[in-house]
Amino acid sequence: GAGVSQSPSNKVTEKGKDVELRCDPISGHTALYWYRQSLGQGLEFLIYFQGNSAPDKSGLPSDRFSAERTGGSVSTLTIQRTQQEDSAVYLCASSLLEDGAYEQYFGPGTRLTVT
Amino acid sequence: GQNIDQPTEMTATEGAIVQINCTYQTSGFNGLFWYQQHAGEAPTFLSYNVLDGLEEKGRFSSFLSRSKGYSYLLLKELQMKDSASYLCAVRDSNYQLIWGAGTKLIIKP
Repeated sequence: GAGVSQSPSNKVTEKGKDVELRCDPISGHTALYWYRQSLGQGLEFLIYFQGNSAPDKSGLPSDRFSAERTGGSVSTLTIQRTQQEDSAVYLCASSLLEDGAYEQYFGPGTRLTVT
Repeated sequence: GQNIDQPTEMTATEGAIVQINCTYQTSGFNGLFWYQQHAGEAPTFLSYNVLDGLEEKGRFSSFLSRSKGYSYLLLKELQMKDSASYLCAVRDSNYQLIWGAGTKLIIKP
């Protein structure tokens, strides 16, 4: 079946511009996660959606970052007034459930470069 | 704070065995995951441990000791394609995954 998809695969933007990154999770997966990964670094948790519950936004680095998940499926991560330090690969993952042995399936990521 | 420690880089020889260690200090524990990440690609799931002991899956095994806050990933009969980063992640009491920075494994012929 189809895996997690993300778009765009690459995005180059000028400092100060807004960007939107999209994630299509695996159908039926109720949990959706956004991560950020800088070159050679581990994954930095950003935000987590589980079903109809309020999202866990504890990882968002600033109020320039926001995310929504429409209809319990597609999610959009928005970065306003981008800064050079926002440059990273943004990974989306989905999981059938948040607990148990259910692993997270990752999308290919969006490489964001802020010039 | 929450912390996951892994060696930054390891080197091993094709056909040999390598053990990648992970120690953690987290707010609660609800399972530990190992993921493999090839350069430029997304992480893929390798193993899950929630009880103490060894879980074996083909050439890969993962061990957990909750009392020691310790896990290792054991890779046997190393192949060149095993060259990748190996990420340890612990799910805390809020069911949030805390990720280590990963261990870059270099396999030499």
